This record gives sequence, C-alpha cells and structure tokens, in this order.
Amino acid sequence: DAKTTQPPSMDCAEGRAANLPCNHSTISGNEYVYWYRQIHSQGPQYIIHGLKNNETNEMASLIITEDRKSSTLILPHATLRDTAVYYCIVRVAGGYSTLTFGKGTMLLVSP
Amino acid sequence: KAGVTQTPRYLIKTRGQQVTLSCSPISGHRSVSWYQQTPGQGLQFLFEYFSETQRNKGNFPGRFSGRQFSNSRSEMNVSTLELGDSALYLCASSPNRLAGNTDTQYFGPGTRLTVL
Repeated sequence: DAKTTQPPSMDCAEGRAANLPCNHSTISGNEYVYWYRQIHSQGPQYIIHGLKNNETNEMASLIITEDRKSSTLILPHATLRDTAVYYCIVRVAGGYSTLTFGKGTMLLVSP
Repeated sequence: KAGVTQTPRYLIKTRGQQVTLSCSPISGHRSVSWYQQTPGQGLQFLFEYFSETQRNKGNFPGRFSGRQFSNSRSEMNVSTLELGDSALYLCASSPNRLAGNTDTQYFGPGTRLTVL
C-alpha cells in the first residue's frame, strides 16, 4: 500500500526554487518523513528527513504541515544537476531500516 | 569518510548461472540492506542484515540470498538466473544505533546486472 502520494513530474527553471509536494495523510505519530533523490542510474541520495518540525540542511528545506499529513521539499536555487527523481518516504526511525519507495516525482530543471 | 562501495559495477550473465555481488558499508555502519530496481517494479527491498544476522526480508524467491561478515561487509547471491533478474542492485548502509533517529540509509552506486 502506498503511504505517500507525489506528482509524477514537475518542471523548474534553473535558479528558481523547486517545491516538491508529498501527501502522507495516514502517517503515524512515530513515523518520519524522508526524502531521497536518484539521478539517472545512480544510487539514491539521502536529502533530508523530519518528524514534525521544519528542517533545513545544506541541500534543502523540509516543511511539514502542522497536522503532518503533507510536506514540501524545497530546493532553494535549483540547478541542472538537481534534475532527478525525488522520493518521499515515511518510515519509523530506528529498529528495522526498510525503505518503501513509491514512484516519486521526476523533477526536470531547465535552463 | 568513504561512501558505500559495490563491486562489480557492471555484470553480464546468462540464464541459469549464479552471481555474487559485494557491498562494503560506510566505516562504522553495522546495518546493510539490499534493494532491486527494475523499470517495471521500481525500487524493492530484498533483505537487511545487522550483526551478521538477516533481520528483515522482502518478498523475493529463495534464489535470492545474502550474508554479512563480521566486518559488516555483505554479499548477495542470486542462483539460477532468470531474464527478469536483470536490474540495478543497490546496497545501503546505516549506523543502526538503538536510540534516536540516526539510522538514515546511505546508498552505494549499485551493480548493474544484465542476464542474457
């Protein structure tokens, strides 16, 4: 069963902010939201994760709604190298480490 | 710190053969997970090892097996290869500490297996 819903594709102009939405309306209280991305034929790259507070690191920002039913990954200044499939995953942190990937969002950054 | 390494990066086999893939986790990481990625099924979990024990297993036939060594390095084996086993096989490692949320998985570059 899919735990997250993401748009299949999005476009973004280089230099602009890319805002990738994710719906996770059935998220449990002990589940985190993780974001990974996969550039064509490479291994997935960890981006960021959060529980209920907004998070920011050198790659991106994660905004989680107060009810935790949705989140947005923000790439503040998208570059051509950010073109990739972005996966939003909910999982319990700690314990077993299984990740369940959906189909993700294909982000195309254009000049 | 070096990332997750996988060998070989590319492999071509024929139906019926067997194959062994290797994964070296990030130094200090104790958990290793394997995933299969195909165009049709996407990324699917195969199994996870922690302290040389298989802790979790996905829905794959018994032809897929793995093991972990005392230094946390892991191998996966696929016997009696089928055309449908052609895929990108990904390994991920995590510290798997018992407390907190510090068990993020970090992926290697993958092994591209082609079965002819």
